[in-house]
Amino acid sequence: EVQLVQSGAEVKKPGESLKISCRGSGFSFTDYWIAWVRQMPGKGLDYMGIIYPGDSDTRYSPSFQGQVTISADKSVNTAFLQWSSLKASDTAMYYCARFDYTGISGHANYWGQGTLVTVSS
Amino acid sequence: QSALTQPRSVSGSPGQSVTISCTGTSSDVGGYNYVSWYQQHPGKAPKLMIFDVSKRPSGVRDRFSGSKSGNTASLTISGLQADDEADYYCCSYAGTYTWVFGGGTKLTVL
Repeated sequence: EVQLVQSGAEVKKPGESLKISCRGSGFSFTDYWIAWVRQMPGKGLDYMGIIYPGDSDTRYSPSFQGQVTISADKSVNTAFLQWSSLKASDTAMYYCARFDYTGISGHANYWGQGTLVTVSS
Repeated sequence: QSALTQPRSVSGSPGQSVTISCTGTSSDVGGYNYVSWYQQHPGKAPKLMIFDVSKRPSGVRDRFSGSKSGNTASLTISGLQADDEADYYCCSYAGTYTWVFGGGTKLTVL
């Protein structure tokens, strides 16, 4: 069974750093792109970026370039999303998702359960 | 990229059909046959319902169908059921490793 299990909820202060994780199982982690998607409270979905754990090729949405870092450790089948200095506006639910490709594009066929990040002084 | 445009809400009675539109541009929806739709119940992760405009993943009922004309994609849900009440998001490929979501549509089953 394909599963993406994300790390638990976090409460942080503005200016703090944070790294959240997404561990895959039930599939060859190095053969699929893993994306991160933000959902701010009461709002829609925002595509943040995507990584191919096989070679760590990483691409960012222009809206998130320079704001976050996406990485992966294929030895533990885990993708990461990190911030060096959190802002209150980073408060959101963050989902990882496995992208299944057909042709030149993919779709998020499997999703993690989400990690709630709260940034408040 | 700007978010794709979806109606904020739609509604229908059990057994009826509803259609949710998703309007983009020639750089996303109109430029590629890579539109997907996601269903999200409150407090849950999104679930893939349609990919590549009109394909259904295994396990998704054929009551859900997708189509596209020009810069507008559509999701049609026929035979509405109470459990269909959820938020629905469209998503389109927008060029090299870039995807854009719609703002979401709240479906109410009356």
